[in-house]
Amino acid sequence: NAGVTQTPKFQVLKTGQSMTLQCAQDMNHEYMSWYRQDPGMGLRLIHYSVGAGITDQGEVPNGYNVSRSTTEDFPLRLLSAAPSQTSVYFCASSYGQGTSTDTQYFGPGTRLTVL
Amino acid sequence: AQTVTQSQPEMSVQEAETVTLSCTYDTSENNYYLFWYKQPPSRQMILVIRQEAYKQQNATENRFSVNFQKAAKSFSLKISDSQLGDTAMYFCAFMKPVGAGNNRKLIWGLGTSLAVNP
Repeated sequence: NAGVTQTPKFQVLKTGQSMTLQCAQDMNHEYMSWYRQDPGMGLRLIHYSVGAGITDQGEVPNGYNVSRSTTEDFPLRLLSAAPSQTSVYFCASSYGQGTSTDTQYFGPGTRLTVL
Repeated sequence: AQTVTQSQPEMSVQEAETVTLSCTYDTSENNYYLFWYKQPPSRQMILVIRQEAYKQQNATENRFSVNFQKAAKSFSLKISDSQLGDTAMYFCAFMKPVGAGNNRKLIWGLGTSLAVNP
């Protein structure tokens, strides 16, 4: 299994540009989520999905959209990039929530810089 | 509000020695999960160890063990025989139910940066 993959690893955007961060997992996990990691702020949940067709907002959803058309993929879209979105983004997945298999598997991260 | 506190922003330890990272959390829940994740310089988040709140026995994974004190809401991580590869940021996380059904939410501490010195 490849686990959780994210692309790209690095990205530089100009203010106002849009882009999509890709996330895919091959473990048939139902639960997927997006986090951003900023110095001194820890990990903050952006959006999550408990299954294909179902998404919900996390702590910091503004400026981001997600969709979950398949179990495997969970892309994160930045609609109009702002310097405040400069961060490292992590995608994570787990088999379920509320079961004994709540361990989250993380992707390698995407470092995004917005100029 | 539920919070997770890691009171040690930075720590260092000599290779082969033992180090303990502290984590406290605040919750009114009775059933929850606790995790320690490791983030080395590669930035990949790696699960170190997990503890279910209903289990009194402390979880152990090779050189990593926890001291789970439910009444005190404390969940410290002990690393024995520290190795250079243990150098990383360590995050404590707490998972709690959210609303009805099986939804859960992870709440993260801000991390402890551990340096293992040769």
